[in-house]
Parts: sequence; structure tokens; C-alpha cells
Amino acid sequence: ETGVTQSPTHLIKTRGQQVTLRCSSQSGHNTVSWYQQALGQGPQFIFQYYREEENGRGNFPPRFSGLQFPNYSSELNVNALELDDSALYLCASGWDRGLDEQFFGPGTRLTVL
Amino acid sequence: GQNIDQPTEMTATEGAIVQINCTYQTSGFNGLFWYQQHAGEAPTFLSYNVLDGLEEKGRFSSFLSRSKGYSYLLLKELQMKDSASYLCAERAGSYQLTFGKGTKLSVIP
Repeated sequence: ETGVTQSPTHLIKTRGQQVTLRCSSQSGHNTVSWYQQALGQGPQFIFQYYREEENGRGNFPPRFSGLQFPNYSSELNVNALELDDSALYLCASGWDRGLDEQFFGPGTRLTVL
Repeated sequence: GQNIDQPTEMTATEGAIVQINCTYQTSGFNGLFWYQQHAGEAPTFLSYNVLDGLEEKGRFSSFLSRSKGYSYLLLKELQMKDSASYLCAERAGSYQLTFGKGTKLSVIP
């Protein structure tokens, strides 16, 4: 059984660019949640996907969007990057909307210059 | 609204016991989670409480009082490898986890 994987590990972009981050959920999980973690802060919920549908969204602007694929892997897209988007982006997978524990991937460190 | 409060930093001695407190304010409470996060790594699940009382898992225990909006994580027989950030997270509704800023624990010899 493989755990949650994310790619890329690190990424550097400039303001105004667009970025796509990827997450493969743990085998058997149908739910993926995305979080943004700024330095020295706790993770902040961006949104969750359950069976390919958005199942809830945090306080993030529409330029943060996502997808979930039939194999339950997921993408996070961020348009018009801003300096404040620099953070560790974590995805967490679980079963049935994360009613129990969620398993986090190693994260993607995004730096916006 | 949701407001998770936990101490920013704590220091404890190897072999000792430490208690990390967490308070929350929310409606629709549906569970309290504790995660451990080493620097530069992903959070790893430690415990989950949905009913009042103490849940014990080896050297780690977590307590919940829903009426007081209060939880704590108890770490016994501290080891150097326990130096990490400990994140308290509350689940409201069915999916969203709201995290505190984390408590950075330093274990000293």
C-alpha cells in the first residue's frame, strides 16, 4: 500500500504566473483535501474533493481551483500567483470525506518571487 | 466562528511528561485531532477525540471536554525525537479541519 505522494517537491514561480500541483491519494482513499501552510502557521483548508466533486471550500479566492480524477488523484491550480502564495501546499487523503483520520503527503514547497 | 488557541512554544526534559493544551470555539463540532509535524515534513496523525474523556495510545494520550471547548495532548517518557510541532485541529461539519498555529516542543537532555 503506497502512501500519499505529491509533486513537485519544490517549485519557484514569479508573480502573475500559474502553477499546478499534483497529489496521488493513498490506495483505497476517495477523498482529497488541500491545505496551505505558511511558515510558522498551521495548515489552512483550501478545499476538498470527494468522488470527483468539490465537497467544501475554505476562505480562498477563485484563482485557487482544483480537480479530482477517476483514480482519485487530484490537482491544485493557482492562477495569477501573488507573493503571499508562497507556502507549503499539503494534500491529505482519506475515506468518505475524511470522517476519520486523514493522511498527509510530504507537501510541495512553492516560492513566488 | 472557529478560533483554535494553543501555546506557541514549550520546553521539556527528556524522560518527563508534558501537556499541550488547546482551546477551540465553534459550532458544529465534530471531532478534535492532534498531529505531529517535524520541521520540513508533513503532519502525521496522533489522535482523534469526538467524545469527552481520555484516549490513550502508548506514550501519547489526548483528552477532550466538549462543554469547555478544551483538549490536551499528554506526552509521557519524552524522547529527543519528540521535538516537533504539535498541531491541534478541530473538525466542524463533515470535512474541514481547522488547525491551530501549532506548539513547538523542544525536548532537552
